[in-house]
Amino acid sequence: AQKVTQAQTEISVVEKEDVTLDCVYETRDTTYYLFWYKQPPSGELVFLIRRNSFDEQNEISGRYSWNFQKSTSSFNFTITASQVVDSAVYFCALSFYNQGGKLIFGQGTELSVKP
Amino acid sequence: DSGVTQTPKHLITATGQRVTLRCSPRSGDLSVYWYQQSLDQGLQFLIQYYNGEERAKGNILERFSAQQFPDLHSELNLSSLELGDSALYFCASSVVQGRQETQYFGPGTRLLVL
Repeated sequence: AQKVTQAQTEISVVEKEDVTLDCVYETRDTTYYLFWYKQPPSGELVFLIRRNSFDEQNEISGRYSWNFQKSTSSFNFTITASQVVDSAVYFCALSFYNQGGKLIFGQGTELSVKP
Repeated sequence: DSGVTQTPKHLITATGQRVTLRCSPRSGDLSVYWYQQSLDQGLQFLIQYYNGEERAKGNILERFSAQQFPDLHSELNLSSLELGDSALYFCASSVVQGRQETQYFGPGTRLLVL
């Protein structure tokens, strides 16, 4: 089965708190790609990051960081010092090189950052 | 702004009707994907076109069809509409770098079937 699970449906934090969004995926393929997208209240889907299955190097971009661990099939996303503008639904997604690139999305985690 | 445009932004119609959603990909992108986002199904892949040819099909109903034109814009046609077709429809275009592909999404068309 090819599946993405975001077990956290909703998370609420207070501004400046750190928050981690969990993503667990299932696949038997050895070559795959993982993504995070953000959907703010305005509705558009914004690309945040792509990771390849053969590159487990973790990444930090400003207040965002991503932890990819093949051993646990997880690709978690952390926001440091959260801000109200981070309030959005965050989607983790999976795609495969030999399947035309279609994205398989998780159900999303709604993050609410309160002032 | 992703560079992907979709029209119209909102659409309200009645059951049994037919609508056409339009998407213009980013300049230079050959691939167009269509996705449906609904409360019960989440974000689901519908169909992909690459340079005018259908490349992959997902959970797309027979009442739905799509095409990509020579200028690379794409249209998604939804016919015999039902209440359950109310959803946000996204188009995405992709840039390929080697074996790696990233999809950039348009703002979506919000369809309400009454």
